[in-house]
Amino acid sequence: QLQLRESGPGLVKPSETLSLTCTVSGGSISSSNYYWGWIRQPPGKGLEWIGSIYYSGSTYYNPSLMSRVTIPVDTSKNQFSLKLNSVTAADTAVYYCASLAGGAVALSWGQGTLVIVSS
Amino acid sequence: EIVMTQSPATLSVSPGERATLSCRASQSVSSKLAWYQQKPGQAPRLLVYGASTRATGLPARFSGSGSGTEFTLTISSLQSEDFAVYYCQQYNNWPVTFGGGTKVEIK
Repeated sequence: QLQLRESGPGLVKPSETLSLTCTVSGGSISSSNYYWGWIRQPPGKGLEWIGSIYYSGSTYYNPSLMSRVTIPVDTSKNQFSLKLNSVTAADTAVYYCASLAGGAVALSWGQGTLVIVSS
Repeated sequence: EIVMTQSPATLSVSPGERATLSCRASQSVSSKLAWYQQKPGQAPRLLVYGASTRATGLPARFSGSGSGTEFTLTISSLQSEDFAVYYCQQYNNWPVTFGGGTKVEIK
């Protein structure tokens, strides 16, 4: 059973870079069965797809965020990350990492981590 | 970008009754449609993918149907643990998009 856990700062200043890490346990991030992705949810609102990565390094980003986001993978640590630069208050959200079947169906989710953008 | 519209926004149902949730896509997504359940303070949970395939361990009272632009999630007899928010997601076109959700509440 795959388990995912997000970690990182809960408070980021405007214009700075939001950095989160997702640690995968119970399976290998190098598995050819999964992609790995980030999804966010502003407080009280719906879900927004951020992007995904395959262990080989292939990435797919939401065009609305593409200019600001990168999702690197570290197979040696069984982790993948989210880096979102030039953040504003609109980036305040609960950020989830997930394992993805077929690149898009979120099978297993982390518990989520709230990131607030504020000075 | 494909827009996913869910209706109703809120559905009030008594325990034991049937709930029917709708999801409409702004253009065809074939059968590449998933449903998720989210309870307060929790991450979403996958229920259905491929429009009608139940996730592992999902009770048979949940069923998904539809293709193209019109989809339905049916809960045949609501249990107390089913009161939650439900989201549909299309993954036929990039970017992947979600509907705004339907909250199923106790009547």
